[in-house]
Amino acid sequence: GQSLEQPSEVTAVEGAIVQINCTYQTSGFYGLSWYQQHDGGAPTFLSYNALDGLEETGRFSSFLSRSDSYGYLLLQELQMKDSASYFCAVNSGGYQKVTFGIGTKLQVIP
Amino acid sequence: NAGVTQTPKFQVLKTGQSMTLQCAQDMNHEYMSWYRQDPGMGLRLIHYSVGAGITDQGEVPNGYNVSRSTTEDFPLRLLSAAPSQTSVYFCASSSKGLSANEQFFGPGTRLTVL
Repeated sequence: GQSLEQPSEVTAVEGAIVQINCTYQTSGFYGLSWYQQHDGGAPTFLSYNALDGLEETGRFSSFLSRSDSYGYLLLQELQMKDSASYFCAVNSGGYQKVTFGIGTKLQVIP
Repeated sequence: NAGVTQTPKFQVLKTGQSMTLQCAQDMNHEYMSWYRQDPGMGLRLIHYSVGAGITDQGEVPNGYNVSRSTTEDFPLRLLSAAPSQTSVYFCASSSKGLSANEQFFGPGTRLTVL
């Protein structure tokens, strides 16, 4: 089966940088995705890593190490609107076999 | 484009009742999925489809049926509702090819089973 671990809560200061880690165990691996979800809202896609290395999209970056079964989401220049839950998700069996982690609730404080 | 739409937004059922959660997308996406989200458990895959006429089970399929007769629609049927099915249900879609891993989610249906 698949399992993912990520911290349940993180607090960071506005303007700072925060890193949310995700480790996974899976019987097959195609890639690692990250999603953002505000309270009461729907998840929205942030990034996808299939290969080792860093992918940058504006203030957000995502990293993957396949050999370590590890990835992280890096948020820079934190804003209050970044307060949300962040989910890592492993694609382990083709495009639709996606397993989500339990999510990390990020609180950005002034 | 409306994207992914779901109806109803809220629903209360009694144990044993059946109902269908509707999901539609207007992006001509081949792939569609249903997830449930419970507190502290993230999103769990119920059923998914890689195209019209093709469906498969996800992680938690018991008690749910799906069908995919058109590219646009992917309804989820609860056969006999149970309190354990109280949850928030999200439908998602994605296109084939390089963008397949970018799933677009609907606004969700909040279901309570009494």
